[in-house]
Amino acid sequence: GAGVSQSPSNKVTEKGKDVELRCDPISGHTALYWYRQSLGQGLEFLIYFQGNSAPDKSGLPSDRFSAERTGGSVSTLTIQRTQQEDSAVYLCASSLDNSYEQYFGPGTRLTVT
Amino acid sequence: QQPVQSPQAVILREGEDAVINCSSSKALYSVHWYRQKHGEAPVFLMILLKGGEQKGHEKISASFNEKKQQSSLYLTASQLSYSGTYFCGTEISSNTGKLIFGQGTTLQVKP
Repeated sequence: GAGVSQSPSNKVTEKGKDVELRCDPISGHTALYWYRQSLGQGLEFLIYFQGNSAPDKSGLPSDRFSAERTGGSVSTLTIQRTQQEDSAVYLCASSLDNSYEQYFGPGTRLTVT
Repeated sequence: QQPVQSPQAVILREGEDAVINCSSSKALYSVHWYRQKHGEAPVFLMILLKGGEQKGHEKISASFNEKKQQSSLYLTASQLSYSGTYFCGTEISSNTGKLIFGQGTTLQVKP
């Protein structure tokens, strides 16, 4: 079946602009995660959605970052007033349930100029 | 809070073995291992749960020492396809779903 998809694959934006990144998880997966990966670095946890529970937002680096998940499926990560330090690859992953293997999407490479 | 991986990088010849370690300062519920090839998304390798249960589907083994808050990934008879960056992700308590990943260990297997 189809894997996790993300769009856009690449996004170049000017400092100060808002961006929206989209994630389509694998159908039936109740858990959805967002991570950030800077060049040559590890995976930084941002936010986690599980079913209808309140999301775990503990990894969001500032209040400029927000995310929502509509209908328990598609998720959107929004970054307001982008800064150069926001430049990174944003990865989305989904899993059948928590503590199961996570399937990662191809990521969105964000460049803030 | 971020787990520490060692070594940071390792170079092997085909057929050689390697061990990658992951240490946490906090008690762990589970440890997850992923491999990421350059320019690609991370791919699941294995989950090790508190109590000894393992879930994986590749010919790679791992151990989880709950008391020492450590996990090790064992790559035996390495193949060229093993090259990539290996990440451990640690889960502090059950049913949180939140993984904190280490900085990664880069493995290069040469012919």
